[in-house]
Amino acid sequence: AQKVTQAQTEISVVEKEDVTLDCVYETRDTTYYLFWYKQPPSGELVFLIRRNSFDEQNEISGRYSWNFQKSTSSFNFTITASQVVDSAVYFCALSEALPQGGNTGKLIFGQGTTLQVKP
Amino acid sequence: EPEVTQTPSHQVTQMGQEVILRCVPISNHLYFYWYRQILGQKVEFLVSFYNNEISEKSEIFDDQFSVERPDGSNFTLKIRSTKLEDSAMYFCARTARGEVWGYTFGSGTRLTVV
Repeated sequence: AQKVTQAQTEISVVEKEDVTLDCVYETRDTTYYLFWYKQPPSGELVFLIRRNSFDEQNEISGRYSWNFQKSTSSFNFTITASQVVDSAVYFCALSEALPQGGNTGKLIFGQGTTLQVKP
Repeated sequence: EPEVTQTPSHQVTQMGQEVILRCVPISNHLYFYWYRQILGQKVEFLVSFYNNEISEKSEIFDDQFSVERPDGSNFTLKIRSTKLEDSAMYFCARTARGEVWGYTFGSGTRLTVV
């Protein structure tokens, strides 16, 4: 069965600190896709990254970086030098297939981690 | 990439009333989806829609829910007889044909059942 676990319910840091949000997933498929979304207080879901299971290269985008480790089924997200604007709920999500043929590509979300960055 | 626009942004309805949530027309879609997020909880899959029919639905998507493209463009979610526990944020999402596979969510509709 597919499952995404974000064990950290809430994290509070002071501005400029680095913070890592954990994501552990379960799937029986060998091909799957992992996502991170940001949900600011305004409520929308903002896409941050998608990673394919066959690409284990870590990725960096500005202050954001992602560490994908298949051996531990983890896809962790690090924010370097956090800012107040990073305060939001962050969701990790899993899709077991592309939306094609009989696959719908639905996303399975974790419970989310609320990040509070204090000035 | 094109936005996914939902209307209304917020709807308040009496328990037992029918509500219709809408996604604004989007071209080149592959699949449409509806997701629900009860306040403070995770985002949950409701239903996927492809080629004008439901391709998959979750246990949450019971007989009180329905989806359609009434005019071949707008994508709607109808809740026939709302209950208090239907209060949530409802998100429309889509993947687009011809793109590197992506997944874009609409801005959401906050439904409050009173």
